[in-house]
Amino acid sequence: GQQLNQSPQSMFIQEGEDVSMNCTSSSIFNTWLWYKQDPGEGPVLLIALYKAGELTSNGRLTAQFGITRKDSFLNISASIPSDVGIYFCAAFSGGSNYKLTFGKGTLLTVNP
Amino acid sequence: GAVVSQHPSRVICKSGTSVKIECRSLDFQATTMFWYRQFPKQSLMLMATSNEGSKATYEQGVEKDKFLINHASLTLSTLTVTSAHPEDSSFYICSARTLAGAGYNEQFFGPGTRLTVL
Repeated sequence: GQQLNQSPQSMFIQEGEDVSMNCTSSSIFNTWLWYKQDPGEGPVLLIALYKAGELTSNGRLTAQFGITRKDSFLNISASIPSDVGIYFCAAFSGGSNYKLTFGKGTLLTVNP
Repeated sequence: GAVVSQHPSRVICKSGTSVKIECRSLDFQATTMFWYRQFPKQSLMLMATSNEGSKATYEQGVEKDKFLINHASLTLSTLTVTSAHPEDSSFYICSARTLAGAGYNEQFFGPGTRLTVL
């Protein structure tokens, strides 16, 4: 089946540093999504990407839909303590069932 | 906009009992809702896809007689864990897809329900 390889698995950074994480796959996708999950909460959508090559920002977050349609990255600039959480990439390849494929997540820890 | 609620947020039950979890889209209509299960430090695992007015589609390995799903309206889906056992303890999360066009594939997630079976 389709799989998303998300890396890194975890990151420990200092406040103010920039962060980058990515997802790759051997399959082609039509939509890439990035979510953040806080402990004990459901995932919250950060950025949605619908077109190959698309680069989208949401505040300090920037994400890109790879031109091959097989990858995406998320950058966080000038990290702050509240950026702590698990970040998931998710992707949709098409079909009427609208099922998403999820990466395994990146656990981000920000030291003040 | 695009708020999804779940109730209850936490439930503790005895082994052998049944538990119902509700998922509501508060400010939009959702033709499709999804139920996920998440174990500690793991990703979300899709259990089933629920379409309003029709039977749910279960993922391979998910027992449909154990995890009963009802999607009676465009704003409500329920998951009932029947005859729960300790191994069913997990974080259950629902999501809903809006009615926007076919290319619009965002899912909005509920806050999750922590189920503990004693």
